[in-house]
Amino acid sequence: AQKVTQAQTEISVVEKEDVTLDCVYETRDTTYYLFWYKQPPSGELVFLIRRNSFDEQNEISGRYSWNFQKSTSSFNFTITASQVVDSAVYFCALRGGNSGGYQKVTFGTGTKLQVIP
Amino acid sequence: EAQVTQNPRYLITVTGKKLTVTCSQNMNHEYMSWYRQDPGLGLRQIYYSMNVEVTDKGDVPEGYKVSRKEKRNFPLILESPSPNQTSLYFCASSPGTPTSGYEQYFGPGTRLTVT
Repeated sequence: AQKVTQAQTEISVVEKEDVTLDCVYETRDTTYYLFWYKQPPSGELVFLIRRNSFDEQNEISGRYSWNFQKSTSSFNFTITASQVVDSAVYFCALRGGNSGGYQKVTFGTGTKLQVIP
Repeated sequence: EAQVTQNPRYLITVTGKKLTVTCSQNMNHEYMSWYRQDPGLGLRQIYYSMNVEVTDKGDVPEGYKVSRKEKRNFPLILESPSPNQTSLYFCASSPGTPTSGYEQYFGPGTRLTVT
C-alpha cells in the first residue's frame, strides 16, 4: 500500500515570509510519480508540479521551489516571499508505480496555507 | 479548450434515490478517476479506469458504481445514496503513458448533499 503524509494541517505566515510545506510518502514501488496540487478558496484543483522517482533534481519556478529527496522519501514545497494569492490548500499526491501500472493515486490530507497581509 | 466537465455542480437529494454524476473530458485521455474530498481526509480515490471497459476500485468504492463505455465519459453512479456519501466529488483525467507525465486534470467538482 502507498501512503502520503502531510503533517502540517494549517500554516499561517505573514506576507513576504518564506514557507515550506512538507510531504512524506511511502511506497514499495521503485518507479512512481509525485505531484503537488493547489486548491484555492474557489475550490478547483490546479496542477503545480510533477516529479518522477528517477529524477531527483530540485526545481524552481518563480517563487516556488520543490525539494525531492528519495533518501528521506520527501517531496517538500517552498514558497518564497509569500503573497496573499498563495492562500490555499495544497495537496501532495503519489501515483505509483511499476507494480500496479500507475493506476492508483494517493493524496495527502492537505495543508491549508493562510498568508496574512 | 482542454477541460474536464462535471454535472451537476451541486445536488441535494434524499436517501435511497439513485443518482448519476456525469464526467466528460475532451483531451482523449486514457485514464479517468473519481475522488471524494472530505474535511481532514484529503482526496480519496473511489474508482479509476485505464481505458474503455477497464475499471477498478480505488480506496473507497463502497456504495458507488462506474462505467466506461466511451473514452471521453466516466459517470459515477450512486444507486442508493446515504448521508455518509455527502461530499465534494472530483473527476479527473490524465494520459495513460509515462512519457506524458501522468498528471491529472480535474473537473470543477460536484457538491453532493444526501439528506
